Amino acid sequence: DTAVSQTPKYLVTQMGNDKSIKCEQNLGHDTMYWYKQDSKKFLKIMFSYNNKELIINETVPNRFSPKSPDKAHLNLHINSLELGDSAVYFCASSQERGGGKTQYFGPGTRLLVL
Amino acid sequence: GDSVTQMEGPVTLSEEAFLTINCTYTATGYPSLFWYVQYPGEGLQLLLKATKADDKGSNKGFEATYRKETTSFHLEKGSVQVSDSAVYFCALSGGSNYKLTFGKGTLLTVNP
Repeated sequence: DTAVSQTPKYLVTQMGNDKSIKCEQNLGHDTMYWYKQDSKKFLKIMFSYNNKELIINETVPNRFSPKSPDKAHLNLHINSLELGDSAVYFCASSQERGGGKTQYFGPGTRLLVL
Repeated sequence: GDSVTQMEGPVTLSEEAFLTINCTYTATGYPSLFWYVQYPGEGLQLLLKATKADDKGSNKGFEATYRKETTSFHLEKGSVQVSDSAVYFCALSGGSNYKLTFGKGTLLTVNP
């Protein structure tokens, strides 16, 4: 009965490779997010989708491309991986937009680029 | 733009000690305020939240009060336990800007 799930949990890959991280939520929420947590634990929004529409796109290299096939899924594809992409990537979801809406986070995907 | 400043850690306490983690914010309008907790190797969990001035959020013995006059949302617990050891994040989400803006996190270690 996992609410927000991500796969894989760990991802080790070589520089220059292309990889994808998948996220699924079974909460019936209509808004999903990707956050990046760096080695110092700092968390920053990357993208957000509402009803499959991109609504937040922060200053992220265009090597990162989110894709939302439906409201319950938001995947993150990364092209030409670089060392600096090593981080923990968290998916989250919330019901509707709005500042007071609680976001529920997945367990994270730990990406290590060698 | 919006920002959150929380006290830098790490914070090390003995079991049953009193905990305060300071958090102040800068935002336009009237943001909602959150505390999230991240246990080792896990994702973030909502600890508590407050959506308007003077609201008090509380959960698991933790409390925080939304103070508009001082733009603060300090986290407190009267008696910490070893199981409270984690990283605590203060965050805000303002009006139609529904993204969460996080502070840098505070690592709390509670020793028996």
